[in-house]
Amino acid sequence: SQQGEEDPQALSIQEGENATMNCSYKTSINNLQWYRQNSGRGLVHLILIRSNEREKHSGRLRVTLDTSKKSSSLLITASRAADTASYFCATALYGNNRLAFGKGNQVVVIP
Amino acid sequence: KAGVTQTPRYLIKTRGQQVTLSCSPISGHRSVSWYQQTPGQGLQFLFEYFSETQRNKGNFPGRFSGRQFSNSRSEMNVSTLELGDSALYLCASSLYRGADTEAFFGQGTRLTVV
Repeated sequence: SQQGEEDPQALSIQEGENATMNCSYKTSINNLQWYRQNSGRGLVHLILIRSNEREKHSGRLRVTLDTSKKSSSLLITASRAADTASYFCATALYGNNRLAFGKGNQVVVIP
Repeated sequence: KAGVTQTPRYLIKTRGQQVTLSCSPISGHRSVSWYQQTPGQGLQFLFEYFSETQRNKGNFPGRFSGRQFSNSRSEMNVSTLELGDSALYLCASSLYRGADTEAFFGQGTRLTVV
């Protein structure tokens, strides 16, 4: 069954603004990973947050995880035109490399 | 360090034919997973291989099969192609199995069935 599910958003923001997208899932997880995809190409790994972590940063990215609400958020600060892409969250169960993906969020950053 | 390499990048096949896609994982990675991405169904898990053994299988018909070689390279095969098999096929490489390992994806193989 589908685990990760993003809020079905299509964000259109100005360069320099922040972009926030959310993801919810249904069962207990081992970790949650966020990916970026440009125009139907491969997925670029952004960040992994473990089930015992609440927040993680990587450059302009900030990910939070709330296991009690079974949800995660990805914040991109000071967005750039190059951040225009689809963003997916994916959850992994314990002892398992099988990822369940959400439907993705389309983000358009206007220069 | 080279990333995940998938070949070919693009394929056009006719209904009823079969196709083999190849994936070379990141050096040292032992787990390879395959995913199908379509506009309608999104990203769906096909199967995972670790140490030449299939460890997990998604909900796809038996026409979809795969294997992994001793050097961790993996192939997936689709027989008796249908129009609905047109998709982007993505391969993911992980160092270990489970234990919070990140999955790194290749650029994908775009399969078009006509």
